[in-house]
Amino acid sequence: AQKITQTQPGMFVQEKEAVTLDCTYDTSDQSYGLFWYKQPSSGEMIFLIYQGSYDEQNATEGRYSLNFQKARKSANLVISASQLGDSAMYFCAMRERNSGNTPLVFGKGTRLSVIA
Amino acid sequence: GAVVSQHPSWVICKSGTSVKIECRSLDFQATTMFWYRQFPKQSLMLMATSNEGSKATYEQGVEKDKFLINHASLTLSTLTVTSAHPEDSSFYICSAPQIARVTEAFFGQGTRLTVV
Repeated sequence: AQKITQTQPGMFVQEKEAVTLDCTYDTSDQSYGLFWYKQPSSGEMIFLIYQGSYDEQNATEGRYSLNFQKARKSANLVISASQLGDSAMYFCAMRERNSGNTPLVFGKGTRLSVIA
Repeated sequence: GAVVSQHPSWVICKSGTSVKIECRSLDFQATTMFWYRQFPKQSLMLMATSNEGSKATYEQGVEKDKFLINHASLTLSTLTVTSAHPEDSSFYICSAPQIARVTEAFFGQGTRLTVV
């Protein structure tokens, strides 16, 4: 079974609008970390935001916020005030046991296209 | 600035030759590094975990004799694709976790390998 599910292969959003990218996860661990990355065409993985399983508040980083619903095992990324430069692939990832020595498991990604 | 440096960014090699990719942690020591592979339009898949001073551990289906990993120092891990074939053409990217910083996970810039 997939540990990270991103159901939206592609999304379009108008410039300056907000967009939500969906992510659900599956784990039996109590301690885990959730990550979102942006991957432009260059291929680099740009870290956006992190949410720990014990964090009670939703994480925010500038225009990025993570809508964490633990009971539903979802960790949706919200991008506010979209910009043309936001067009890229976005990956949701999870690290079980939330130890630095544990690798990340990635979803299949969502391609976001921002329209002027 | 970058905390993980990967080199080269891209490489083209002839079928049958070997290619070495380096992953360096900058300003911190990494006893563990992760190597991922990403085929076009797909997600990142963990290939192997590189352990300083010991053998790497490979994910199921990854040929350890083909993808040689050497983690000879606390700041450098290398991935050598031996006897490369066109089907090995892919994007290879490393990650070097900082144990004390579980809220982040940084990646190298990635290496785009094309085997002709």
